[in-house]
Amino acid sequence: NAGVTQTPKFQVLKTGQSMTLQCAQDMNHEYMSWYRQDPGMGLRLIHYSVGAGITDQGEVPNGYNVSRSTTEDFPLRLLSAAPSQTSVYFCASSYSIGRRTDTQYFGPGTRLTVL
Amino acid sequence: QQQVKQSPQSLIVQKGGISIINCAYENTAFDYFPWYQQFPGKGPALLIAIRPDVSEKKEGRFTISFNKSAKQFSLHIMDSQPGDSATYFCAAPNSNSGYALNFGKGTSLLVTP
Repeated sequence: NAGVTQTPKFQVLKTGQSMTLQCAQDMNHEYMSWYRQDPGMGLRLIHYSVGAGITDQGEVPNGYNVSRSTTEDFPLRLLSAAPSQTSVYFCASSYSIGRRTDTQYFGPGTRLTVL
Repeated sequence: QQQVKQSPQSLIVQKGGISIINCAYENTAFDYFPWYQQFPGKGPALLIAIRPDVSEKKEGRFTISFNKSAKQFSLHIMDSQPGDSATYFCAAPNSNSGYALNFGKGTSLLVTP
């Protein structure tokens, strides 16, 4: 099991550019989510998905799009990058038991810098 | 947005001492309260979690104490070791979705030799 994988590990963008952060898991988890981590701010939820075809917004969704066409993949799209999106991005996945969350497994992160 | 308040922001403990980190949450209809540990350059990893049908859960040197009436829970690290030096996050289920977690801002723990 590779667990949760994220690509790329590092990325530098110019303001206004778009890009997609990739996330994949091989544990057949229903629930997947994206967080951003900034110094002193903890982990803030961007978007999450409770299964293929189902997504919802988290705390800080503006400027980001997601889709979930398969159970395994949950890409995060930056539509027009801004310096405020400079951050470390983590993808996570977990089983869901009814409407109860369970252990979330995090990927290694993508460090994004927007100039 | 539902908040999870974590304290202290940073903590320095001598080897062999007890580390205590506190967390307070707002209303939630869901019952799962985890602590995550993160080392520099790595993603967070689950350390220990509690479903509050009990008030305390112990795993090795790590203990969660839960006070449902006060909406508070804490992490105790007994016999702290330099290898425990990391950032610790508490979390509580989002009130809108039981799947999503709201995280505290983290506590940076340094255990000195």
